[in-house]
Amino acid sequence: RKEVEQDPGPFNVPEGATVAFNCTYSNSASQSFFWYRQDCRKEPKLLMSVYSSGNEDGRFTAQLNRASQYISLLIRDSKLSDSATYLCVVNRNNQGGKLIFGQGTELSVKP
Amino acid sequence: DAGITQSPRHKVTETGTPVTLRCHQTENHRYMYWYRQDPGHGLRLIHYSYGVKDTDKGEVSDGYSVSRSKTEDFLLTLESATSSQTSVYFCAISEEVPYGYTFGSGTRLTVV
Repeated sequence: RKEVEQDPGPFNVPEGATVAFNCTYSNSASQSFFWYRQDCRKEPKLLMSVYSSGNEDGRFTAQLNRASQYISLLIRDSKLSDSATYLCVVNRNNQGGKLIFGQGTELSVKP
Repeated sequence: DAGITQSPRHKVTETGTPVTLRCHQTENHRYMYWYRQDPGHGLRLIHYSYGVKDTDKGEVSDGYSVSRSKTEDFLLTLESATSSQTSVYFCAISEEVPYGYTFGSGTRLTVV
């Protein structure tokens, strides 16, 4: 079993739709959580950190459930420019800050 | 954006030859990482560094070595390239645990 698991998709949604991505992690020692975005043939870029209380950045909302070891990302009012692969990432802070990446969920927003 | 550059951006090399990839940062960040990204596997950690001359192995370190003689440079060497090392290689930097990383633009390596 992979340490970080995501539904690979692809998710094909129309512009304006709301879409949610889920992620589970297996190591309860994980302490920091992130969502990264990766465009085709580009480097991953930090989208947002995920906090226990949940956090929002514009159209994006991230939530963490430590008891269930579950992370989510909600995108409201999808734009064409949101088309990318979204990577769920966890950090076992006690091991030199190494990030563990999920395989990513592909999103395609259509006109 | 953080100052991090990788070189070369693209390279084709023959099986059995040594190859060195360079990661250079201008942010004075302590932590540096090398990942490879392959379809079906996502990003996998090869080696990382937590300071000058301080390095450690990641999950896919066989066939790779690294060196960090200066804060700003982290070199990844494929000692004898094999076709299974054809991949996209990303370098990343991080100021402190537990902050996220900033990635370089990647190096596309093809071993023929």
